[in-house]
Amino acid sequence: EVQLLESGGDLVQPGGSLRLSCAASGFTFNNYAMSWVRQSPRKGLEWVSTISAGGRNTYYADSVKGRFTISRDNSKNTLYLQMNSLRAEDTAEYYCAKDRRWLKEMDHWGQGTLVSVSS
Amino acid sequence: QSALTQPASVSGSPGQSITISCAGTSSDIGFYNFVSWYQQQPSRPPKLIIYEVSNRSSGVSSRFSGSRSGNTASLTISGLQAEDEADYYCSSYTSNTTRVFGGGTKVTVL
Repeated sequence: EVQLLESGGDLVQPGGSLRLSCAASGFTFNNYAMSWVRQSPRKGLEWVSTISAGGRNTYYADSVKGRFTISRDNSKNTLYLQMNSLRAEDTAEYYCAKDRRWLKEMDHWGQGTLVSVSS
Repeated sequence: QSALTQPASVSGSPGQSITISCAGTSSDIGFYNFVSWYQQQPSRPPKLIIYEVSNRSSGVSSRFSGSRSGNTASLTISGLQAEDEADYYCSSYTSNTTRVFGGGTKVTVL
């Protein structure tokens, strides 16, 4: 059974930094691209970033480009999202998801971790 | 990376069929066969129900079907049931090597 468990969400001040983690199990992690998707309170889904299976290629939404960095450690079956220069509008539930096909559809999702940016 | 356009809400009675539209452009829905649909129940993560325009994900009821015409994709739920009440999101691969979501549609079973 595929399991994705996010952690690292917290309350942080504007301009601060945070690193999210996603521990994966139940599938061959290094065979699949992985993504982060966020959902602001009572709002819709927003794709944040995707990383290729090997970690060489990364893609970002314009809203986070230059501030967020996606990475992975295939030896630990873990996905990361380093978030810097955080803004109030980054407040959201952040989901880790497994790409069924790279940048196409996401067939398994974690339960999410909440990031709140406020002074 | 403009969001795809979905109606905010759609409703129907049990047993009826409803269709949710998802309007994009020739740079996403109109060009690629990579449209997917997700169902999100309250306080739950999204669940993939349709991929590549019309393929049902494993274990998804045959009451769910997807299609596309030009730059617009559609999700049809036939034989509407109370358990179908949820938010539904479309998504597409784009020519900018990114993905984009629709704003979401709340389905209400009357």
